[in-house]
Amino acid sequence: GEDVEQSLFLSVREGDSSVINCTYTDSSSTYLYWYKQEPGAGLQLLTYIFSNMDMKQDQRLTVLLNKKDKHLSLRIADTQTGDSAIYFCAESIGGGYQKVTFGTGTKLQVIP
Amino acid sequence: NAGVTQTPKFRILKIGQSMTLQCTQDMNHNYMYWYRQDPGMGLKLIYYSVGAGITDKGEVPNGYNVSRSTTEDFPLRLELAAPSQTSVYFCASSDTGVSTTEAFFGQGTRLTVV
Repeated sequence: GEDVEQSLFLSVREGDSSVINCTYTDSSSTYLYWYKQEPGAGLQLLTYIFSNMDMKQDQRLTVLLNKKDKHLSLRIADTQTGDSAIYFCAESIGGGYQKVTFGTGTKLQVIP
Repeated sequence: NAGVTQTPKFRILKIGQSMTLQCTQDMNHNYMYWYRQDPGMGLKLIYYSVGAGITDKGEVPNGYNVSRSTTEDFPLRLELAAPSQTSVYFCASSDTGVSTTEAFFGQGTRLTVV
């Protein structure tokens, strides 16, 4: 079955770049997502990328997709303390969220 | 601007007890979902619903029941709580079943069964 793996923890200094990595196993994945969960809140969609794209940029966020290696990354430039949260990677073969597989989440700690 | 609201936030149950986790959304979304997240694991889909009166099993439905009598509410029922059901439960909703639609999540319910 599908599996999505992430490292559980990442610590960076304020102002540095953060890179959160994710690997997935389903080669037929069509959509890949990054969700953010702030303390005490629900998951919130940050961005998603189609599998036919290599990169997507949105302000401080850059998503890179290596479909050959089934590797997805989220880069946050100029990381701020407000970026401290848990970041979830997810994949879908299409057909709605009942077919979305979520990763374990990576807890990002930003040190002032 | 409530979005998806889950209650309670925390609960401790004894083995064999029953409880209902409540989930309400005020966005008139047709699709609703229940997930559980065990420590060090990804979210696993328990049940989902594509509209009022329609529910279907997800990946890990055993030990749970759901109902969807209204568009707004999607309660999750645990009939005989077991330690294996200790987890964090998330409810979510989406406007459509299209994968590019954003899913909105509640803040989660942390359940401990002792």
